[in-house]
Amino acid sequence: KAGVTQTPRYLIKTRGQQVTLSCSPISGHRSVSWYQQTPGQGLQFLFEYFSETQRNKGNFPGRFSGRQFSNSRSEMNVSTLELGDSALYLCASSLSGDNTGELFFGEGSRLTVL
Amino acid sequence: QQQVKQSPQSLIVQKGGISIINCAYENTAFDYFPWYQQFPGKGPALLIAIRPDVSEKKEGRFTISFNKSAKQFSLHIMDSQPGDSATYFCAASTSGSARQLTFGSGTQLTVLP
Repeated sequence: KAGVTQTPRYLIKTRGQQVTLSCSPISGHRSVSWYQQTPGQGLQFLFEYFSETQRNKGNFPGRFSGRQFSNSRSEMNVSTLELGDSALYLCASSLSGDNTGELFFGEGSRLTVL
Repeated sequence: QQQVKQSPQSLIVQKGGISIINCAYENTAFDYFPWYQQFPGKGPALLIAIRPDVSEKKEGRFTISFNKSAKQFSLHIMDSQPGDSATYFCAASTSGSARQLTFGSGTQLTVLP
């Protein structure tokens, strides 16, 4: 069974640009969550999508947005990039209706903002 | 109140020894406490998890101890192996937001051969 796939794995952008990251969840998983990982702030929750609806949102500015498609694939977008947005962005999928936090993470997309 | 505090930041253990990582939380609404293991270049992977209705859970060499009154939980790795060298994160969430994990700051474990 294929795991969570994230693309691209690495990317470099400049301040003010925007970026779109993609995530394909494990087959059958309908919930997709996004996390930001930085050395200073650690792992922080961005948002969660289930059946194309955002269910929860973390404490990030409106520049961070996401969406989920009918096939459960998800994208997140960061607009007007800032240097502090440099991070590893992790996508995680889980089973629908599951009441646990058992998340299956991808390997992440490493964003560098210059 | 959402914070999960993890210690130590780094830990060095000899092969065969016991590795102990501690976490403390404030939010009494947390009711799910997983531990994740992360190797360099990889995403975190679920290691073991516990709910507050039990005080201990064991899976192979990994044990979670949970103290509800003290709002603390810990990970014990018995017979630590060099392959266990990784970063370990504790986390917590509530039933209402099960996938919104609040993570600890991580512990970098090094097991010497």
